[in-house]
Amino acid sequence: GDSVTQTEGQVALSEEDFLTIHCNYSASGYPTLFWYVQYPGEGPQLLFRASRDKEKGSSRGFEATYDKGTTSFHLRKASVQESDSAVYYCALSDFNQGGSAKLIFGEGTKLTVSS
Amino acid sequence: NAGVIQTPRHKVTGKGQEATLWCEPISGHSAVFWYRQTIVQGLEFLTYFRNQAPIDDSGMPKERFSAQMPNQSHSTLKIQSTQPQDSAVYLCASSTRTGGAEEQYFGPGTRLTVL
Repeated sequence: GDSVTQTEGQVALSEEDFLTIHCNYSASGYPTLFWYVQYPGEGPQLLFRASRDKEKGSSRGFEATYDKGTTSFHLRKASVQESDSAVYYCALSDFNQGGSAKLIFGEGTKLTVSS
Repeated sequence: NAGVIQTPRHKVTGKGQEATLWCEPISGHSAVFWYRQTIVQGLEFLTYFRNQAPIDDSGMPKERFSAQMPNQSHSTLKIQSTQPQDSAVYLCASSTRTGGAEEQYFGPGTRLTVL
């Protein structure tokens, strides 16, 4: 079945550091890929999504590019802030391929940014 | 827009008791999703409804779990004979079909603790 893998379980950075969280997926065709962010006590909220090869999603300084060749959708931010501390989830949906609208999530990456 | 409402926010049950979790989707949204979140398993899809009809329940445990959507304004997830391994945060999400893979709006979750 479809799956999403996030390499980093936890990332600790200082303010203004560069962030990369790796996401690789396994699915047929062109699934839609998402990044969600979850703050303590809240449900996940969408950062952005991408549906086509080479499409870049971005929001709040975060960005990721859909790469079908490497089946990846890595999250990057040039300069993190303390307020970015949260758990980040990569997810996919194969709804556009005639599949279910359910989201399949990666394991999540806890980002801690210190000042 | 009040967002997705989940009640109760916290529920404690004894082993063998029944638990009913409630979800009120965002007004006008046609789809409702249920997910379960644990430290060990992460975010797992359970089931979803579109226009009140069950569409995909592939993530639901075969026994003791059931979900309903009796009207467009609420959905329930019922767990009979709760067990300690059912302890988790249960998240409800809703979405509106816009033609592509949809953004899902999550509620804050219900934390279920089974003693």
